[in-house]
Amino acid sequence: DIQMTQSPSSLSASVGDRVTITCRASQSISSYLNWYQQKPGKAPKLLIYAISTLQSGVPSRFSGSGSGTDFTLTISSLQPEDFATYYCQQSHIKRTFGQGTKVEIK
Amino acid sequence: EVQLVESGGGLVQPGGSLRLSCAASGFTVSSNYMSWVRQAPGKGLEWVSVIYRDGSTYYAGSVEGRFIISRDNSKNTLSLQMNSLRAEDTAVYYCARTIVLISTFDAFDIWGQGTMVTVSS
Repeated sequence: DIQMTQSPSSLSASVGDRVTITCRASQSISSYLNWYQQKPGKAPKLLIYAISTLQSGVPSRFSGSGSGTDFTLTISSLQPEDFATYYCQQSHIKRTFGQGTKVEIK
Repeated sequence: EVQLVESGGGLVQPGGSLRLSCAASGFTVSSNYMSWVRQAPGKGLEWVSVIYRDGSTYYAGSVEGRFIISRDNSKNTLSLQMNSLRAEDTAVYYCARTIVLISTFDAFDIWGQGTMVTVSS
């Protein structure tokens, strides 16, 4: 099975900060990489698919990059509504999620 | 409105069985890939199973041989039959539409609200 490892597991940031979350796959997953946001008690929300394509309605401050095994989610200017847990997910072979990165208020 | 609503969760003893259902509205289940994803209390997301448009099914190793995903085209519903349940299967179970967005790239774009399954004696 493909393992997905995110770092960091959690981070503290302030409104307006630039935030970067990384995701590493245990083998190449080509461009089969998606990102989700989850707030407490809610279902996850799709943010980005195929590495860098923003889902409809997602603010442009979110961006994704990477290839092969190493990927990045960037929030260019953190907003109050962005405090949440973020997950990467591969769909190259079956599906696997990363363990999540919790973005907290500093 | 495009929506998924899960049902069937509850408390079950270890070794027992439970069947979850997911009712879709606003789209056709059989025309999409559909998945189950679970989340243990305080933990991350874990993909469980997917059913493709052609009916082929795939499972996470942790549930292979114990869980069965299926759909009822006449009712526009997705189901998950869970057998030989273990304490570690305790989680909120979400159904999710697995939309093919570009070529072969798919993602979970529509999620239900989840249904809680607790495996305990």
